[in-house]
Amino acid sequence: DAGVIQSPRHEVTEMGQEVTLRCKPISGHDYLFWYRQTMMRGLELLIYFNNNVPIDDSGMPEDRFSAKMPNASFSTLKIQPSEPRDSAVYFCASSGGIGTDTQYFGPGTRLTVL
Amino acid sequence: RKEVEQDPGPFNVPEGATVAFNCTYSNSASQSFFWYRQDCRKEPKLLMSVYSSGNEDGRFTAQLNRASQYISLLIRDSKLSDSATYLCVVNRRGSQGNLIFGKGTKLSVKP
Repeated sequence: DAGVIQSPRHEVTEMGQEVTLRCKPISGHDYLFWYRQTMMRGLELLIYFNNNVPIDDSGMPEDRFSAKMPNASFSTLKIQPSEPRDSAVYFCASSGGIGTDTQYFGPGTRLTVL
Repeated sequence: RKEVEQDPGPFNVPEGATVAFNCTYSNSASQSFFWYRQDCRKEPKLLMSVYSSGNEDGRFTAQLNRASQYISLLIRDSKLSDSATYLCVVNRRGSQGNLIFGKGTKLSVKP
């Protein structure tokens, strides 16, 4: 079975550029999560969706960050404009099924903003 | 108080040793508890769920103490391949699917 798919795996961009990260959750999962991980702050939840609807975006650092989930099999996280402090690994995770909170992570996108 | 707290380590142990990690959580309403494992430059992966009665999976044993709000993970007969960061995870109050991850405890098993 395919796991969570993320693209790109690595992204190097210059400050001020727009960055779009993509995620395909596991088929049948109804929750999708976007996380950011840095050495200093660990794994931080940015936003999560349930049945394609954003439920909690309180972790989104500022208006430069936006996320969408147009359908059950695709989500994007966009940063515009990007800044060097956005450099981190961005993970997408999904979960689903009654009575389970287990989340399955994608391989992550390593973002470097110069 | 942080929602989930762990000793960051590193724990440096020889092969074959037994090592234990503890984790404390602040939300008494949490209902789901997990240990995830994260290898260097990889994504977190579920190691095991933690049940009230405690559970064991091979060399790994997880315990939950609701009264004291802590979770433990015991690894027996450590292998080199156990070297990783272990993340303690609990769910947010009344929020299905919304998990809080600790910063992790780093384990290094030496030959």
